[in-house]
Amino acid sequence: GQNIDQPTEMTATEGAIVQINCTYQTSGFNGLFWYQQHAGEAPTFLSYNVLDGLEEKGRFSSFLSRSKGYSYLLLKELQMKDSASYLCAVANDYKLSFGAGTTVTVRA
Amino acid sequence: DSGVTQTPKHLITATGQRVTLRCSPRSGDLSVYWYQQSLDQGLQFLIQYYNGEERAKGNILERFSAQQFPDLHSELNLSSLELGDSALYFCASRPQGVGGELFFGEGSRLTVL
Repeated sequence: GQNIDQPTEMTATEGAIVQINCTYQTSGFNGLFWYQQHAGEAPTFLSYNVLDGLEEKGRFSSFLSRSKGYSYLLLKELQMKDSASYLCAVANDYKLSFGAGTTVTVRA
Repeated sequence: DSGVTQTPKHLITATGQRVTLRCSPRSGDLSVYWYQQSLDQGLQFLIQYYNGEERAKGNILERFSAQQFPDLHSELNLSSLELGDSALYFCASRPQGVGGELFFGEGSRLTVL
């Protein structure tokens, strides 16, 4: 089975940086995904890590350490539109299992 | 627009009834995944199909069943509905069986009264 943990909520100020951590335990590993989901909408893909290290994509970066079962998503220069739920998901075999999500609230 | 189409977008029905949710994957994608998301809950994996065959099963209730047809569209059947089945049901497709991101449809919102 899989166990994926991420904080429930985080609050940050517009223009700031927020780091969302995700720890996981899994049998088999084919990569880790981060998705963004606004309330009532479909999740949208942000990033994918399969090897250790940092992947940077504009204002968003994601890091993976497979030996530690750990990833983080870094959101820089926060904007109000970044207020959403951020989902960590682990792929193994044919499954993609999601954590409960971290609700990020950006304050002016 | 992800290219994944789900119908209906909204559905209201009564306890004990049966409904069918439909999903058309992105053109060329062979894999279809079904997820359930209850209010303020995470995405719960239900089942996955690849090119017509069931590949992985999550915590799918026995009252629920699914299939993928030769044209690759998929249907999720929910029967003997209970109040707790009210949720957003998402379908997602993926170009390969393993690896690559999931592209999600807009979801079907089911309300059981």
